[in-house]
Amino acid sequence: LAKTTQPISMDSYEGQEVNITCSHNNIATNDYITWYQQFPSQGPRFIIQGYKTKVTNEVASLFIPADRKSSTLSLPRVSLSDTAVYYCLVGDNGNTGKLIFGQGTTLQVKP
Amino acid sequence: DGGITQSPKYLFRKEGQNVTLSCEQNLNHDAMYWYRQDPGQGLRLIYYSQIVNDFQKGDIAEGYSVSREKKESFPLTVTSAQKNPTAFYLCASTAGTTANYGYTFGSGTRLTVV
Repeated sequence: LAKTTQPISMDSYEGQEVNITCSHNNIATNDYITWYQQFPSQGPRFIIQGYKTKVTNEVASLFIPADRKSSTLSLPRVSLSDTAVYYCLVGDNGNTGKLIFGQGTTLQVKP
Repeated sequence: DGGITQSPKYLFRKEGQNVTLSCEQNLNHDAMYWYRQDPGQGLRLIYYSQIVNDFQKGDIAEGYSVSREKKESFPLTVTSAQKNPTAFYLCASTAGTTANYGYTFGSGTRLTVV
């Protein structure tokens, strides 16, 4: 099963762009990269998913280099409400649907 | 609106009791999952089901049991054999049976042993 590594915590200030990088050296050919956001005492919420190059939606951008061994979640102009834990996940290729959650990155946005 | 409903939001269990956590989805999703989250930790998989009347153990299944009699429902029973059940429990579903499909999570049940 592909394992991901991401920073435990990050600090930022309101209005700044935040980039969270995740490494996944053993990603399989069929695996997509998915990012989730979790607020305290709530279930994780899907943010963005990609396979290669760049994906953008109304919330974030996801940058994936050609070798796909890492990915970067980019949050433009963060606000205090973006303070949360962000998980990078890579699907296993065993058709089990199991997601392996690491500790995630705790983002603290300061005023 | 479609989604996943977990109940109750808070649950208190006495030592030696079995308790059942409810998870219902109206998304017509095939696969459903139960995760456990401890403070400051990521999610750990307890059980998952990809089809009605079938389910598989996850990484920490001991002390838990599940059933999948209907596509919409995937209840989790925390038995007295689970020695440290106090945690935040999350149910999720996905349209397909690979992790490449986006997961939809419920709002969670916080279980406390008293």
